[in-house]
Amino acid sequence: DAGVIQSPRHEVTEMGQEVTLRCKPISGHNSLFWYRQTMMRGLELLIYFNNNVPIDDSGMPEDRFSAKMPNASFSTLKIQPSEPRDSAVYFCASSLFGGGNSPLHFGNGTRLTVT
Amino acid sequence: DQQVKQNSPSLSVQEGRISILNCDYTNSMFDYFLWYKKYPAEGPTFLISISSIKDKNEDGRFTVFLNKSAKHLSLHIVPSQPGDSAVYFCAASYNTDKLIFGTGTRLQVFP
Repeated sequence: DAGVIQSPRHEVTEMGQEVTLRCKPISGHNSLFWYRQTMMRGLELLIYFNNNVPIDDSGMPEDRFSAKMPNASFSTLKIQPSEPRDSAVYFCASSLFGGGNSPLHFGNGTRLTVT
Repeated sequence: DQQVKQNSPSLSVQEGRISILNCDYTNSMFDYFLWYKKYPAEGPTFLISISSIKDKNEDGRFTVFLNKSAKHLSLHIVPSQPGDSAVYFCAASYNTDKLIFGTGTRLQVFP
């Protein structure tokens, strides 16, 4: 099992540019989560999907952020336009049944730097 | 509003001694608690969990204690080893798929 795969590992972009982060969950997992890690707030849940359907996007900071899951093996998180305060590490995670009793499996993250 | 709080950003412990990492929560509806461990440049990995119907769960060198009346959770590592040096995240969930994380505690185990 290859685990959760995220790309790119690092992304450096200029303010105002569009950024797209990609995630391939573990095959057979029904839930997918996007988290953002910052020093001040730790790991913040941005959005999660069950069976490809967005369940809760209350953590998405602004309309500049959007996420899609067109099929069970792929998800994207898009920021448009990007701002310096979006600089953080973004993690994708998947689980069999959800984040409670079913532990999350995280990818290695995408470190985003917006200048 | 931070529902899961880890008030100690860092902890330094000598190898062989006990490491105690603490976590407080505010939502009494939380019914499942987990600890994750994170090494640099990697994603967090699941370490140990506990249901709200228990007050202790043990797995090898790792023990998690839950005090529901105090809304407090702790992770004990005995004996601590240099390979335990990492950031530890406390997390909690309630009757949904959401997992709420704390801000993390960086543990350093020195020889």
